[in-house]
Amino acid sequence: GDSVTQMEGPVTLSEEAFLTINCTYTATGYPSLFWYVQYPGEGLQLLLKATKADDKGSNKGFEATYRKETTSFHLEKGSVQVSDSAVYFCALSAAGRRALTFGSGTRLQVQP
Amino acid sequence: DARVTQTPRHKVTEMGQEVTMRCQPILGHNTVFWYRQTMMQGLELLAYFRNRAPLDDSGMPKDRFSAEMPDATLATLKIQPSEPRDSAVYFCASGEGTVDGGAREQFFGPGTRLTVL
Repeated sequence: GDSVTQMEGPVTLSEEAFLTINCTYTATGYPSLFWYVQYPGEGLQLLLKATKADDKGSNKGFEATYRKETTSFHLEKGSVQVSDSAVYFCALSAAGRRALTFGSGTRLQVQP
Repeated sequence: DARVTQTPRHKVTEMGQEVTMRCQPILGHNTVFWYRQTMMQGLELLAYFRNRAPLDDSGMPKDRFSAEMPDATLATLKIQPSEPRDSAVYFCASGEGTVDGGAREQFFGPGTRLTVL
C-alpha cells in the first residue's frame, strides 16, 4: 500500500539556519505530494504541494521538489525563523483516492 | 475567510458515555474526512464522505464509532460507548473532489481534543 516516511524529529535549529526535512514515499502510479504544517493547538494547514514529477511547490520561503526517480519530496527553507517552529507532515494522495496518507510528522524547534 | 469548524474544541468524559463531535465543512466542498491524531499512531483516517455518502469507513472501529452527514453542512462522529483508548484529537477536513480522481487540497478544522477518563 501507499506509505510516507519522514525523518524523525525533533529537529532543533538556530534562527536563520538552513532547514531540510526528508520525505520519501511509496505509491502506485503518480501521486500528488503535500507538506502540511501544524502549529501548537491548531489543525493542519497546507504549506505546499506538487502534482507531477519535477514540479516544485513553494510557499512562505519553503520549497519542495517532486523527485520521481528517488521517490522523494524533501522540504527546504533557506533561513528559518522562530515562528516556523511547528510539526511538519509530508503526505501523498494517490490517483483515484480522496484520502491522504500522512507521514509521522517531524517537529521543528527553532531557537533564537 | 472560509474555514472548517468543529465543536466542541475540548471534551472530557467518563468511560462508557456517548460522545458526539460535529464538523461544518467549507461551503461547496463535497468531500469530508475524519482523522484521529495520537502520539503513538500519528494521523489516521477514520472515514470519508463524498456528496454525503460514505466512501470509506474502514479505519473506524465499527462496534462503537459511527459517522454521518445529515446534510451538506454538518458531519458528525459519534462514539458509544467511549473508552480511554479513544482519547485523541479528532480532525475534520473538507475538500473538492474531482471526477478524474486528481488530488485536491484538504482544509482541516481545529480539531476536537477528547479525553476519556
